[in-house]
Amino acid sequence: EAAVTQSPRNKVAVTGGKVTLSCNQTNNHNNMYWYRQDTGHGLRLIHYSYGAGSTEKGDIPDGYKASRPSQENFSLILELATPSQTSVYFCASGGGTTQNTLYFGAGTRLSVL
Amino acid sequence: GDKVKQSPSALSLQEGTNSALRCNFSIAATTVQWFLQNPRGSLINLFYLVPGTKENGRLKSAFDSKESYSTLHIRDAQLEDSGTYFCAADGGNTGKLIFGLGTTLQVQP
Repeated sequence: EAAVTQSPRNKVAVTGGKVTLSCNQTNNHNNMYWYRQDTGHGLRLIHYSYGAGSTEKGDIPDGYKASRPSQENFSLILELATPSQTSVYFCASGGGTTQNTLYFGAGTRLSVL
Repeated sequence: GDKVKQSPSALSLQEGTNSALRCNFSIAATTVQWFLQNPRGSLINLFYLVPGTKENGRLKSAFDSKESYSTLHIRDAQLEDSGTYFCAADGGNTGKLIFGLGTTLQVQP
């Protein structure tokens, strides 16, 4: 079974502070994704990556940066956190040998005060 | 939610009954995935579909790319089927999934 691990699971940050959310996958998948989930909006794509060293903008990238230093790790960075970034963040990996089935991590609940 | 529309938004079923969930796409979807978000918040992949049908136990899903829709049928609903079902479409094999807003299902004893 595919394994995607997110850390931290919960985070409280202050407005203007820097937040880094981490994601690690042991599936050797090429693709990795960061989504946020908010009531009324479903899951929205922030950034994604096709492999180590690559990052692509998703549908709502403003206020976020991403980093893919290796096949296994994909980070989401909030340089100057704002209360509007309070949300649940999900990381996913995909792009196995035959199809791009997505496997999600357990999520990170972020509150920006 | 505009490019992938799910219906109904919420549904309540008695245990043992059947139901169908639907997704309509306003993009040229090439593949579709269905997920269940359980009450603890975990997102579980149910199906990955190219045009056609797949079945797994009490679940069956179909994807018609020409008519731009997908369905998920639940047979003999059980309490553990409760949660929110999401469909997601990839418009062009980009690996970039667009999600619908979900159907929240509650199965009653």
